[in-house]
Amino acid sequence: DGGITQSPKYLFRKEGQNVTLSCEQNLNHDAMYWYRQDPGQGLRLIYYSQIVNDFQKGDIAEGYSVSREKKESFPLTVTSAQKNPTAFYLCASSRQLLPGNTIYFGEGSWLTVV
Amino acid sequence: AQKVTQAQTEISVVEKEDVTLDCVYETRDTTYYLFWYKQPPSGELVFLIRRNSFDEQNEISGRYSWNFQKSTSSFNFTITASQVVDSAVYFCALHGDFGNEKLTFGTGTRLTIIP
Repeated sequence: DGGITQSPKYLFRKEGQNVTLSCEQNLNHDAMYWYRQDPGQGLRLIYYSQIVNDFQKGDIAEGYSVSREKKESFPLTVTSAQKNPTAFYLCASSRQLLPGNTIYFGEGSWLTVV
Repeated sequence: AQKVTQAQTEISVVEKEDVTLDCVYETRDTTYYLFWYKQPPSGELVFLIRRNSFDEQNEISGRYSWNFQKSTSSFNFTITASQVVDSAVYFCALHGDFGNEKLTFGTGTRLTIIP
């Protein structure tokens, strides 16, 4: 089935450690995105990528890094510089980064700092 | 700047009642796109509908209907004869024109259907 796969579903991190969240899509979409969701809040954009080897900062990029070496993959690294990383992270994709393109989401990853 | 307001934080209704979720948006773009997503307890955001600014026709899909009114900048979502499976958080979102392609979300409305 076509879709967006995120892993792991649940992740615990010790303070000071970097962690990487995986996102893979087989929809043949050019654009991919990472969003962060905090309880009771909407989604905020961390990074997005229009095409392979290109990515742009979103609204809350500090403390995060991404790469886009393959069209189907867009991993997100939460670095130790991220002050409050505990949150729900959602990966998404769309056919292109164009107005009106529908954005589809993965199932999300819960990150907890212990 | 774009903005989406969902003033209803939480709504509870008894099963089989109708319920309307409100969404008000702000944008300076002439061309824009509005979306509704459903987030069940599993966490995934499920796409429900997309509407562009030039199409003000209301849409009905089964028990779901959407009322788009540019005059009041609103894009409300009604569930008829609600069911327990409708319990979820619902997000309204806005996509602008070129240069404003990023999706702006409202804060969501948590809908609980009481059996």
